[in-house]
Amino acid sequence: NAGVMQNPRHLVRRRGQEARLRCSPMKGHSHVYWYRQLPEEGLKFMVYLQKENIIDESGMPKERFSAEFPKEGPSILRIQQVVRGDSAAYFCASSPLSQDFYTGELFFGEGSRLTVL
Amino acid sequence: GENVEQHPSTLSVQEGDSAVIKCTYSDSASNYFPWYKQELGKRPQLIIDIRSNVGEKKDQRIAVTLNKTAKHFSLHITETQPEDSAVYFCAAMGGGFKTIFGAGTRLFVKA
Repeated sequence: NAGVMQNPRHLVRRRGQEARLRCSPMKGHSHVYWYRQLPEEGLKFMVYLQKENIIDESGMPKERFSAEFPKEGPSILRIQQVVRGDSAAYFCASSPLSQDFYTGELFFGEGSRLTVL
Repeated sequence: GENVEQHPSTLSVQEGDSAVIKCTYSDSASNYFPWYKQELGKRPQLIIDIRSNVGEKKDQRIAVTLNKTAKHFSLHITETQPEDSAVYFCAAMGGGFKTIFGAGTRLFVKA
């Protein structure tokens, strides 16, 4: 069972360009979370999605950032018109959901490191 | 909104000593408290967790305690080894399945 897959692992963009980060959850996992980690800092919650549904986006900046988790394909975190302050590691995590029991454990991908020049 | 405070931000111990990291949370609906370890350049990985109906849990050299009344939980690592050196994050998950992380503790174990 492959783990959470994120790509690209490293992405360099110039100010004003768009960044697209992709995340494929573990097989059987229906929930995806995105976190941002600035250098030497903690994991900041951004958004929590199910297939075709945003559950909680309270951590997303109001502008330029969007996320989706389509019925088919990976979850995508999209950053438009990037600025230097967007440089960070973006981690995706997935978790299973059972109506009977939800463990709460998050399985993280290796992260996508965005550098904005 | 929900908040998790973690202390200390940096902790340096001698090999073989114990290390203690403390966290507090604000959301009284939180019912699941995991701890993650992140090595340099790697992804966070779960090392131990505790649920709100339990006060203490132990796994070999690692133990966690939870005080729901005080909204306080702690990680204890005994007989520390150099390979324990990493950043440790506490976290709390509330009823909405959203997990909020503390700012992290950078643990250095000196040989």
